[in-house]
Amino acid sequence: AQSVTQLDSHVSVSEGTPVLLRCNYSSSYSPSLFWYVQHPNKGLQLLLKYTSAATLVKGINGFEAEFKKSETSFHLTKPSAHMSDAAEYFCVVSEGNFNKFYFGSGTKLNVKP
Amino acid sequence: DGGITQSPKYLFRKEGQNVTLSCEQNLNHDAMYWYRQDPGQGLRLIYYSQIVNDFQKGDIAEGYSVSREKKESFPLTVTSAQKNPTAFYLCASTPNVGLSYNEQFFGPGTRLTVL
Repeated sequence: AQSVTQLDSHVSVSEGTPVLLRCNYSSSYSPSLFWYVQHPNKGLQLLLKYTSAATLVKGINGFEAEFKKSETSFHLTKPSAHMSDAAEYFCVVSEGNFNKFYFGSGTKLNVKP
Repeated sequence: DGGITQSPKYLFRKEGQNVTLSCEQNLNHDAMYWYRQDPGQGLRLIYYSQIVNDFQKGDIAEGYSVSREKKESFPLTVTSAQKNPTAFYLCASTPNVGLSYNEQFFGPGTRLTVL
């Protein structure tokens, strides 16, 4: 069975400092992994996805994530936070051929000026 | 512009009433999904459909119903049997059934409040 654990429900950083949002997963298959961002009262927007190509994935707005199979992790990072990065972030695992998606419980990122 | 539209953006319902939330996509995607979002709980799957005229229950289908008569449309009805319907509802779609690397595309959401 698939599951996703986002290790922090809230993360607070200062503008200009690095961001680290942690995600661990369990999967019976070779997983596809995604990070989405959600601003208040909006839909989810794809930041990046891992699909068994390069283990370091670059996404939009300067975000990237590294797939580490040995650690079953897919942590999201950004070198320098911007105020506009304040939002909720979701880590998602896709289940093989059934087009089902498993969501983490989300991490709210607060960026302080 | 291609995308997913949901209407209305805000919806108020009296207890005991059924309401229908609209979801339309012009992306020619095969699969469509409905999720419910509550604070601190992430997204929970209500129903999904991989093909026209077919749909499957998700994890929290009780009190909800759907139809998929057209590829581009997947309306969700919240019935009076749903005891706690106040939530943010998100519709999503994916391009091709059976490809694990498909990402989901999301609509802007409908916020339902029971008065």
